[in-house]
Amino acid sequence: GQQLNQSPQSMFIQEGEDVSMNCTSSSIFNTWLWYKQDPGEGPVLLIALYKAGELTSNGRLTAQFGITRKDSFLNISASIPSDVGIYFCAGQLGGATNKLIFGTGTLLAVQP
Amino acid sequence: DGGITQSPKYLFRKEGQNVTLSCEQNLNHDAMYWYRQDPGQGLRLIYYSQIVNDFQKGDIAEGYSVSREKKESFPLTVTSAQKNPTAFYLCASSMEGTSPLHFGNGTRLTVT
Repeated sequence: GQQLNQSPQSMFIQEGEDVSMNCTSSSIFNTWLWYKQDPGEGPVLLIALYKAGELTSNGRLTAQFGITRKDSFLNISASIPSDVGIYFCAGQLGGATNKLIFGTGTLLAVQP
Repeated sequence: DGGITQSPKYLFRKEGQNVTLSCEQNLNHDAMYWYRQDPGQGLRLIYYSQIVNDFQKGDIAEGYSVSREKKESFPLTVTSAQKNPTAFYLCASSMEGTSPLHFGNGTRLTVT
């Protein structure tokens, strides 16, 4: 199955630092989604992007849908300990199936 | 509260036994999905269903079976033919079209 290239694989930062992660693909997507997963729980949707070039914020989180429609990034500003978790990007190919292709995840650890 | 309920949270089975994982949603979503998650990997699609009494194979359907007799329910059976069944299984649902997926809290299956 197809998977997106997500980087970095892991990040270990100090509280208050800004964080940036991105996903790239060889395929064009109609939608980009960013999820956060806490240990032992299901992913929770953070931000959804529907148009190339779109820049969307959700509190301290900002995500952008790349102009080429093959990439997306997520920034977290002023990180706090509860930001700890695994962040996944997901691209949607569109059409009738609504199938998502997931990135391999970025593990974020925040030291107080 | 609307949501997706997966049960049980933890499941243990002996090798060679079939096991069924439950997924129920009260969001009135048309589409439902089953994903498998292994350490260090993104989510991989097992099966999905866009409408009652219809479902399609995802990327890793071998050794699994599903049914969609009711809109609210999409149980997954892990059969003895699945060579490596130990994993974290996530159920999701969405409205039709390009709406994002919403996930349950997962079932961790351990087969020994």
